[in-house]
Amino acid sequence: SAVISQKPSRDICQRGTSLTIQCQVDSQVTMMFWYRQQPGQSLTLIATANQGSEATYESGFVIDKFPISRPNLTFSTLTVSNMSPEDSSIYLCSVEGKRGAPYNEQFFGPGTRLTVL
Amino acid sequence: QQQVKQSPQSLIVQKGGIPIINCAYENTAFDYFPWYQQFPGKGPALLIAIRPDVSEKKEGRFTISFNKSAKQFSLHIMDSQPGDSATYFCAARSGGNEKLTFGTGTRLTIIP
Repeated sequence: SAVISQKPSRDICQRGTSLTIQCQVDSQVTMMFWYRQQPGQSLTLIATANQGSEATYESGFVIDKFPISRPNLTFSTLTVSNMSPEDSSIYLCSVEGKRGAPYNEQFFGPGTRLTVL
Repeated sequence: QQQVKQSPQSLIVQKGGIPIINCAYENTAFDYFPWYQQFPGKGPALLIAIRPDVSEKKEGRFTISFNKSAKQFSLHIMDSQPGDSATYFCAARSGGNEKLTFGTGTRLTIIP
């Protein structure tokens, strides 16, 4: 399986500020995903990030609010912009298995717990 | 049609019992069905997955049963232990779409 790290692991931010979350993978992967998980809830896909192209956003999520970078095959960032308390959530990076692995298994990072005051 | 319905929402089982978590789907294009286990404060961990060409898959104490005609699949945990207490998510994906569709989750508690 892929080993995924995220920074920061948690943060407390003020309303109106922005936070950039980093995701690092130990191997090259094609597909990277960003999810949001509100307390006690399921996972909601924010966007899919492919290297060399713009991220694809799901309904309800826009690039101005959640800009994403994917500069190479092992790294991505998600920025939560102009934050409000409603953005308080866990943000999860996810990747497909290593290139060439069967079934394209999907793995998750440890998450970034964001609290907006 | 993209939904995956998961039940129950929460489940309490005595140690050694066999908790069963069920999921149902509508989209017949789904061809990959993973289960994830999530402990508090951690990211979801891939537990076991199945493809619709088999009706059952076992890995250790975890078994997926798959009923293609009923469009249902379930997770069974044999000889459950307090350490299995976690939230479990089923998911589904179609080959032509890389996005996973998740169920709503089941909070499982195994009591000693």
